[in-house]
Amino acid sequence: GAVVSQHPSRVICKSGTSVKIECRSLDFQATTMFWYRQFPKQSLMLMATSNEGSKATYEQGVEKDKFLINHASLTLSTLTVTSAHPEDSSFYICSARGRGGNNSPLHFGNGTRLTVT
Amino acid sequence: AQSVAQPEDQVNVAEGNPLTVKCTYSVSGNPYLFWYVQYPNRGLQFLLKYITGDNLVKGSYGFEAEFNKSQTSFHLKKPSALVSDSALYFCAASSSGGYQKVTFGTGTKLQVIP
Repeated sequence: GAVVSQHPSRVICKSGTSVKIECRSLDFQATTMFWYRQFPKQSLMLMATSNEGSKATYEQGVEKDKFLINHASLTLSTLTVTSAHPEDSSFYICSARGRGGNNSPLHFGNGTRLTVT
Repeated sequence: AQSVAQPEDQVNVAEGNPLTVKCTYSVSGNPYLFWYVQYPNRGLQFLLKYITGDNLVKGSYGFEAEFNKSQTSFHLKKPSALVSDSALYFCAASSSGGYQKVTFGTGTKLQVIP
């Protein structure tokens, strides 16, 4: 149980285009979803926290107009990288938490490798 | 502010030997502590958690972790390492307070040598 599906797993796009990444909780309702960015050999950088039906809370230094997050339902959150540039190339990972609260583990998608050329 | 420290970037251990991956934390209120494992180009997988109760927590794949309140530590252990345990391990913390964010350590690469 507690499966999170993230796709695409890999995407290559040209500079200036937008890319949408989907994160779905398949067998549970995800009240909270988190979006992370991971650089090579580095830890996870939390980008934003989204709760179903409300606006995402972005971490300091993350441009909300560039990284659009939508959490329209209890099973789906999307991250759209708008006008992508080569410096946006990274590994993006979503995670979801069910109704158990802070003592529940996070369930992670398998990540999306974004390459902007 | 919450923080999690993993002091070792990499841990090398021979196959069959016991392994320890260190983690210390700082949170307000009662800590909720987690260990996750990440294989290359994949998301993180949950291994185990401490919420309350017994200080020794057992998890997946034979891993266990010991909660030590006085030392604010939550080290990951396994009695006998396998080559397949080689991966990146993350310690994480949240708290019983209203703050819902999970804070991750910087990760420790475990290399099990055949």
